Amino acid sequence: DTGVSQNPRHKITKRGQNVTFRCDPISEHNRLYWYRQTLGQGPEFLTYFQNEAQLEKSRLLSDRFSAERPKGSFSTLEIQRTEQGDSAMYLCASSLEVGEQYFGPGTRLTVT
Amino acid sequence: GENVEQHPSTLSVQEGDSAVIKCTYSDSASNYFPWYKQELGKGPQLIIDIRSNVGEKKDQRIAVTLNKTAKHFSLHITETQPEDSAVYFCAAEDKIIFGKGTRLHILP
Repeated sequence: DTGVSQNPRHKITKRGQNVTFRCDPISEHNRLYWYRQTLGQGPEFLTYFQNEAQLEKSRLLSDRFSAERPKGSFSTLEIQRTEQGDSAMYLCASSLEVGEQYFGPGTRLTVT
Repeated sequence: GENVEQHPSTLSVQEGDSAVIKCTYSDSASNYFPWYKQELGKGPQLIIDIRSNVGEKKDQRIAVTLNKTAKHFSLHITETQPEDSAVYFCAAEDKIIFGKGTRLHILP
């Protein structure tokens, strides 16, 4: 399978804990995006990378959130001191430059 | 910033009939408009996209039309089938500002 993969698929954590998600994009894609999706809503843009450079961050990305793409390949999204409002599906997508994005299956986070 | 409005939020059509979902956008500088289909428990899947230099694009039973002057674009699905039942999202631009989605039900 050469599509976008995300791990874990599901994560249940207690409020106040830190969590980290991983995204492995399609290998030749230089752009990588993170989105958050809550029930009944469309995905909301969080941040994106061009190779290893993080080029834009949404105002939704509070200082408890940090994303990295150290070698321009896989990316991690960390949420510190999780809150119940962080419960959502976190989606990763990748693309070749601007245009067609391919999404992974998402990581569903539940904060109890 | 860009704002994308999508309607209807829910659409039910008889199998074999056509379905049309409409979106408007606010930023006249937007040039790329994809449509995504999302099935339960899965990430969105791109089904068709259009750039601002064309007014219509078709791929088998799916077509997208774009009116840049009016800043709206539409998804047309003809001869609907049960497997078309899903949530459909329109979006604009490369950072992908999504609409809120349309839940499409294909009725037998």
